[in-house]
Amino acid sequence: DAGVIQSPRHEVTEMGQEVTLRCKPISGHNSLFWYRQTMMRGLELLIYFNNNVPIDDSGMPEDRFSAKMPNASFSTLKIQPSEPRDSAVYFCASRFTGNTIYFGEGSWLTVV
Amino acid sequence: AQSVTQLDSQVPVFEEAPVELRCNYSSSVSVYLFWYVQYPNQGLQLLLKYLSGSTLVESINGFEAEFNKSQTSFHLRKPSVHISDTAEYFCAVRGSGNTPLVFGKGTRLSVIA
Repeated sequence: DAGVIQSPRHEVTEMGQEVTLRCKPISGHNSLFWYRQTMMRGLELLIYFNNNVPIDDSGMPEDRFSAKMPNASFSTLKIQPSEPRDSAVYFCASRFTGNTIYFGEGSWLTVV
Repeated sequence: AQSVTQLDSQVPVFEEAPVELRCNYSSSVSVYLFWYVQYPNQGLQLLLKYLSGSTLVESINGFEAEFNKSQTSFHLRKPSVHISDTAEYFCAVRGSGNTPLVFGKGTRLSVIA
C-alpha cells in the first residue's frame, strides 16, 4: 500500500495568500484526520471525518481554516488568507474503524 | 474527554543505557493507548499499542510499554538504546468507537555516543 499521501511536502507562501493542502488516505480507510504540529502546542487535532462526513471541527483555529472531503479518497485543508502564525507541519492521517491510525509524511508550511 | 501528559520534554541518554519515557493519561472511559515515534523531518509511525489483554506490549525494535490502570500510566522503556533511537516519541490515547487520538506534547529522546 502507498500509505497516506500528502501534497505539497513543503510550501512557502506570503501572508494573505491562499494555501491548499491535499491528502489521499489509504484505500479502504473510512476515517480521516487533520493534525497540526507546532513547537509550542505539539500535535493538535484540527478536524476529522468519518465516511466523508465532518464529525468534529472544534479544533479548527478560526474561520480562515476550512476542510473538505468530497469523496473517500481525497481531502483538502484550506487556509485563506494565510498568516505567519499558521506556519506549522500539517499531518493527514487515516484509519479503518477502530484500528491503527496511519500518518502521512506531513506538509511543511511556512508563511512569511 | 481524554488527555495525555508526557512529563519530560527532553531526555538525553548515553548509548546502550536504559531509558524510560513517561506517559500518564486521564480518561473517564476505557482507553486504548499508543506510542508513536517521529524521526527528523518525517511523519509519525506507530511504535506499539495497548488495546486489551496483556498489559505489557512490545515493539519489534526492543521497546516495551506497560499499561498500569491504577496509576493511569503507559510508560515506554528500552533496556539499551541505540543512536538510531534518537527521535521524538508521542504517547496517545483514544476512547472506544471511531474517535481520534489525543496526543501528549512529545518527548525528544537524544542518544549520545
